[in-house]
Amino acid sequence: AQRVTQPEKLLSVFKGAPVELKCNYSYSGSPELFWYVQYSRQRLQLLLRHISRESIKGFTADLNKGETSFHLKKPFAQEEDSAMYYCALVNTGNQFYFGTGTSLTVIP
Amino acid sequence: DAMVIQNPRYQVTQFGKPVTLSCSQTLNHNVMYWYQQKSSQAPKLLFHYYDKDFNNEADTPDNFQSRRPNTSFCFLDIRSPGLGDAAMYLCATSRDWGSTEAFFGQGTRLTVV
Repeated sequence: AQRVTQPEKLLSVFKGAPVELKCNYSYSGSPELFWYVQYSRQRLQLLLRHISRESIKGFTADLNKGETSFHLKKPFAQEEDSAMYYCALVNTGNQFYFGTGTSLTVIP
Repeated sequence: DAMVIQNPRYQVTQFGKPVTLSCSQTLNHNVMYWYQQKSSQAPKLLFHYYDKDFNNEADTPDNFQSRRPNTSFCFLDIRSPGLGDAAMYLCATSRDWGSTEAFFGQGTRLTVV
């Protein structure tokens, strides 16, 4: 069975400080991993996916198969980064499984 | 323009009274999903359709049913809502099998009184 764990429900950082949102997964196959974000009063939307190895809004995430992790990082947090962040895993059946989310607050 | 639209945004229903939540998409995506999200919990996959093929999650209660009459529309039917079914219900689509992006609607918040 697949599982996605986000150990931090709440995370607060000061503007300009680095931020890391943790995500660990368990899956017997080869995972496809994503980060989704939900800004206040907006729909859930894709932030980035591991296969693209992209940086979106200054965020990056590296898949570490040895540690089964996919942590989301940004070197300098901005106020507009305050949102709910969900780590998600897609299995070979195209089913998305989400973690419980981390609420990030960037303090001015 | 909204691509995945859920109606209504807020739904109040009585205990035991059947209720239907609607989702439509303008993306012509093959896959549509229904998720249930309770407060402070992860969105939980209830079922999904690949085209007309229905895939139920093993732990989805029988009280929850779904219909997909065509590519654009998908419905979630709750036959006898209980207080524990109060939640946010999210509809999502993805283009096809594989590691594609999921597009979400705004969700329908269901209250059971």
